[in-house]
Amino acid sequence: SQKIEQNSEALNIQEGKTATLTCNYTNYSPAYLQWYRQDPGRGPVFLLLIRENEKEKRKERLKVTFDTTLKQSLFHITASQPADSATYLCALPGSSNTGKLIFGQGTTLQVKP
Amino acid sequence: DVKVTQSSRYLVKRTGEKVFLECVQDMDHENMFWYRQDPGLGLRLIYFSYDVKMKEKGDIPEGYSVSREKKERFSLILESASTNQTSMYLCASSRSGTGIYNEQFFGPGTRLTVL
Repeated sequence: SQKIEQNSEALNIQEGKTATLTCNYTNYSPAYLQWYRQDPGRGPVFLLLIRENEKEKRKERLKVTFDTTLKQSLFHITASQPADSATYLCALPGSSNTGKLIFGQGTTLQVKP
Repeated sequence: DVKVTQSSRYLVKRTGEKVFLECVQDMDHENMFWYRQDPGLGLRLIYFSYDVKMKEKGDIPEGYSVSREKKERFSLILESASTNQTSMYLCASSRSGTGIYNEQFFGPGTRLTVL
């Protein structure tokens, strides 16, 4: 069955550094991959989508890569700020084209001033 | 500004009670979803609806039912609440259609405690 893995350990970095989060998947060839941000006690908020034929996507300080050979996406936040502290979830479409998504468990990022 | 709203942010119920969680979206989305989120287990899909009166079981439907009588409203029902249903419940909606990449919009969540 499809499986998504994100590093369950929290990532602690210093303000101004680049944060890199990883999303790996198996038994799957998704047409796209999405990243969401979730703050404590809140619902996830969509950040970026990258399609299978795109290697890289950028939005302001965010950059996402998608390597379909490695079955991996990397999510980068450059010049990180304490306000970037949150949990970041990756999501892939379900096997049927119904609109369902499968979410990873998320990685918590803590940016220290 | 697009919005998904949920009827309560916090809810405390007793074991055996019937519980209704309401979700409303104002984006005219076809798809609506109910998830629960627990530490270490991530987001798990309870039920999914792709149209009015249409529903599909998710990964953990046991102990839950849903109702979608109007396009904008999707209700989650706990027929007889149990302590293992204490969780954060999240509603989401998305568009449907070929070539649509189905970004989901989430509500703020309802933290349900069953005593």
